[in-house]
Amino acid sequence: QLLLQESGPGLVKPSETLSLTCNVSGGSVNNNNYYWGWIRQSPGRGLEWIGSVYHSGSAYYNPSLRSRFTVSIDASKNQFSLRLSYVSAADAAVYFCARHAGIAAWFDPWGQGTPVTVSS
Amino acid sequence: QSVLTQPPSVSGAPGQRVTISCTGSSSNTGAGYDVHWYQQLPGAAPKLLIYRNNNRPSGVPDRFSASKSGTSASLAITGLQTEDEAEYYCQSYDSSLSDSVFGTGTRVTVL
Repeated sequence: QLLLQESGPGLVKPSETLSLTCNVSGGSVNNNNYYWGWIRQSPGRGLEWIGSVYHSGSAYYNPSLRSRFTVSIDASKNQFSLRLSYVSAADAAVYFCARHAGIAAWFDPWGQGTPVTVSS
Repeated sequence: QSVLTQPPSVSGAPGQRVTISCTGSSSNTGAGYDVHWYQQLPGAAPKLLIYRNNNRPSGVPDRFSASKSGTSASLAITGLQTEDEAEYYCQSYDSSLSDSVFGTGTRVTVL
């Protein structure tokens, strides 16, 4: 059974960089059938796809968010990561990682999510 | 902000049938992109309920069904149960935004 687990700091200061990791177990990220993605959820913005990465390292992003986000993959650790620079209060959300089979495909499974608060 | 519109809430008594609509446009659902549905229980992550418009993953009860026509899709829950109380989201792809998009979400309440 494929399991995804997010980890990272629950609190980050404004203008700092947020780094989150998604650890994958029960399967390999080095799989050319899937992408590995990040989605966030907040009361004001609902569910919002951020970006996804392929096993090769190629990443694609939500065009409206692209500039501050970086998604990367580390097959040796069987994990993938999200970096968000210059965070603001608007970035406070629950961040989920999930697997999907392509740009228009469904997300399954999801990690349990990690809440991120932005405060000085 | 979402390009997929859902009703904020629907409700029904146990055993009844409820439906949730998901309305998009010519750049997403109307362009032929598939619609997928998720159930999110309180405090949990979304869980895949329906993929590719009308397909249930293994383990999802057949009380859940879905369809898609034109720019709209719908999710039906028949024989409503108390454990169906949750938030439900649709998802598709939008070619003008180059973005995987989610619906606004619908809260299902069992009376």
